[in-house]
Amino acid sequence: QVQLQESGPGLVKPSETLSLTCFVSGDSISSYYWNWIRQPAGKGLEWIGRIYTSGSTDYNPSLKSRVTMSVDTSKSQFSLNLNSVTAADTAVYYCARETWVAFDIWGQGTMVTVSS
Amino acid sequence: AIQLTQSPSSLSASVGDRVTITCRASQGISSALAWYQQKPGKAPKLLMYAASNLQSGVPSRFSGSGSGTDFTLTISSLQPEDFATYYCQQFNSYTFGQGTRLEIK
Repeated sequence: QVQLQESGPGLVKPSETLSLTCFVSGDSISSYYWNWIRQPAGKGLEWIGRIYTSGSTDYNPSLKSRVTMSVDTSKSQFSLNLNSVTAADTAVYYCARETWVAFDIWGQGTMVTVSS
Repeated sequence: AIQLTQSPSSLSASVGDRVTITCRASQGISSALAWYQQKPGKAPKLLMYAASNLQSGVPSRFSGSGSGTDFTLTISSLQPEDFATYYCQQFNSYTFGQGTRLEIK
C-alpha cells in the first residue's frame, strides 16, 4: 500500500531554513497533488501548501512569502523549504496525498523544533 | 480565506451514544469537505470525503451530510476506539476546522 515518510532535521535555528522531504512508496508519485500540513503541540492543523507532479504549486497565503516546494519524480519524493523560521514554526510536519476532496494518505509526521 | 467553525469544541459522551459534530463554513463550498479522526501522537485518518462519502475501511457507524455552508459528522453508536479529536477540512482554500475533542463521560 502507499506509504509516506517525512525526513529532515529535528532542530532548526531561528532565521534559518527548515527543509523536509517526503518519500512516497508503494505507488507512483505521478498524477497526484502532494501536500504539507503542520500542527503545533496541542493545537490544530494548518495547511502549508501543495505541489503537483508537474511542479505546479499552491501555498497558504499566510506562509506564501516563506515557502517553496519542489518535487523529484525520479526519486519519488517531494520537499518543503520554509525560510526565516521562528519559534512559531515549531510543530509536527506532515506530508499527505490529495485525492478527490480529501487527504487520503498521511505520513507519520516529523517534529521540528526551532531553537538556538 | 474560507473559515470553518466546528461545534462543539469538546464533547463528553458514553459508549453507545449517538454523537453529532457540526462544521460551518464562512461561505458556500458545495460538498468540498472532508472529515478526519486524530488520536494522540498519530497522523489524522480520513473518515469522510466529499461531505458524505465513507472512506474505504471506515466503519459504517460514521456518516456525513451537508452541502453549502453546513455539514455534520455523526457517529451512530460510539465505540471505545472512537474517542479522539475530529477535524473538518474544506477544499476551496484547504483550511481546517479547529477540532472537536470527543472524550469519555
